[in-house]
Amino acid sequence: NAGVTQTPKFQVLKTGQSMTLQCAQDMNHNSMYWYRQDPGMGLRLIYYSASEGTTDKGEVPNGYNVSRLNKREFSLRLESAAPSQTSVYFCASIERGYGDGYTFGSGTRLTVV
Amino acid sequence: AQSVSQHNHHVILSEAASLELGCNYSYGGTVNLFWYVQYPGQHLQLLLKYFSGDPLVKGIKGFEAEFIKSKFSFNLRKPSVQWSDTAEYFCAVNARDMRFGAGTRLTVKP
Repeated sequence: NAGVTQTPKFQVLKTGQSMTLQCAQDMNHNSMYWYRQDPGMGLRLIYYSASEGTTDKGEVPNGYNVSRLNKREFSLRLESAAPSQTSVYFCASIERGYGDGYTFGSGTRLTVV
Repeated sequence: AQSVSQHNHHVILSEAASLELGCNYSYGGTVNLFWYVQYPGQHLQLLLKYFSGDPLVKGIKGFEAEFIKSKFSFNLRKPSVQWSDTAEYFCAVNARDMRFGAGTRLTVKP
């Protein structure tokens, strides 16, 4: 099925460990985004990639890095996980930067202990 | 940068009651406005969107929203809610990127 695929769905990390969240879309969308969702705070933008080869910081980029590997894939890396990064992470894509709604992945629930 | 405020954190209604969820945004330029819905355990799905033209926008499942430019508002409405509308609702503004409100949890009692 067409859409945005995120892996893994669940992950538990110890403080200081690193990991990469994977995101791939098969809709030929240009722009891709990483959000974190925390209770009472909605979704906050971590990083985005307006097009292949470009990445930009969002509202809460500290502690994260991203790679736009190709047009399909946009990964999010936590180099040294902290308990404050416990959250649900959503990847999203959009065909154009303006005007359309996002297509979201199913999310990754990350717990840092 | 644009920002979005949703006034209600948790709304509890009985089936068949009418719904209105408030959303205000702050951004001086042209914006595109959205409402998303997130059912328990699922990802966000687009409910409706406003780009231009008629300020009253109709979406899926009987939802509608009205854009009032002078008030910087984009409130979501439904005349008669159902138990299946229990979900979290997010207002969003897309200018340079998509910014979301904190969300409103809707609980509909059967």
